Amino acid sequence: DIQMTQSPSSLSASIGDRVTITCRASQSISSYLNWYQHKPGQAPKLLVYVASSLQSGVPSRFSGSGSGTDFTLTISCLQPEDFATYYCQQSYTTPHTFGQGTNLEIK
Amino acid sequence: QVQLQESGPGLVEPSQTLSLTCNVSGGSVSSRGYYWSWIRQYPGKGLEWIGYIYYSGSTYYNPSLKSRVTLSLDTSSNHFSLNLSSVTAADTAVYYCATSPDGYIYFTWGQGTLVTVSS
Repeated sequence: DIQMTQSPSSLSASIGDRVTITCRASQSISSYLNWYQHKPGQAPKLLVYVASSLQSGVPSRFSGSGSGTDFTLTISCLQPEDFATYYCQQSYTTPHTFGQGTNLEIK
Repeated sequence: QVQLQESGPGLVEPSQTLSLTCNVSGGSVSSRGYYWSWIRQYPGKGLEWIGYIYYSGSTYYNPSLKSRVTLSLDTSSNHFSLNLSSVTAADTAVYYCATSPDGYIYFTWGQGTLVTVSS
C-alpha cells in the first residue's frame, strides 16, 4: 500500500494567517492527490482534487500544489469556518489511502 | 445533487456480521460510471478505504479486508450495502459511504455512522 504522511499533525493559527499543510507519498502518485476538510459530526468535504483543482464552491483562499511524492494545501487567509481536520488521499492505485490528518485549531 | 445517508445497527457483537446500508437520494446507484464506496474512521482518527462497487456490480476491496467484506447494490431500493463478517473490537469505527464518478475522487460523502463492536 502507498503510505501517506501529513505534517504537521496539529497546527494552531489565528484568523487571517496563512497556513500550509504538507502531504508526502511513499512512492510517486503523479497528481492523483485529493484534499478533504472534516468537521465533527459532518460529512467530509472535498476541497481540492488532482493536486491543484479547486472543487466547485470552495473559496479561492484554498489552493493545492505538488506532484510526484510531495504536495501542499495552503489556506491563504484563515477564516473562522476553516478550523477543522484536513486529510490528503491518494487515488493513484487501490487501496486508496489517506494521510493521518492535520487538526487545525484556533490560537 | 446526490446525497448519502448511512443506516444500520450501532452495536454489533464480536464474531457477528456488521451490516450497513447507504441510502442514495438525488441520484441513482445505476448511474453509468459511478463508484459507490465505503470508508471507515477509527477512534484514533485514521481513515481506511474499505472498497467500492461499480454501477455494474463489479467490486474492488481493500486486500486487508477482502476475506471478510461484501459490497452490494440494490437498484430497486436505490441503496448500496456493506457486510463485514467476523468482526472484532478492531472494527469499531465510524463508517462512511461515499461516491465517485470516476473511481478517483470522492465528491460526496455521508455523515457517517458509529459502529461499536462489543458484547
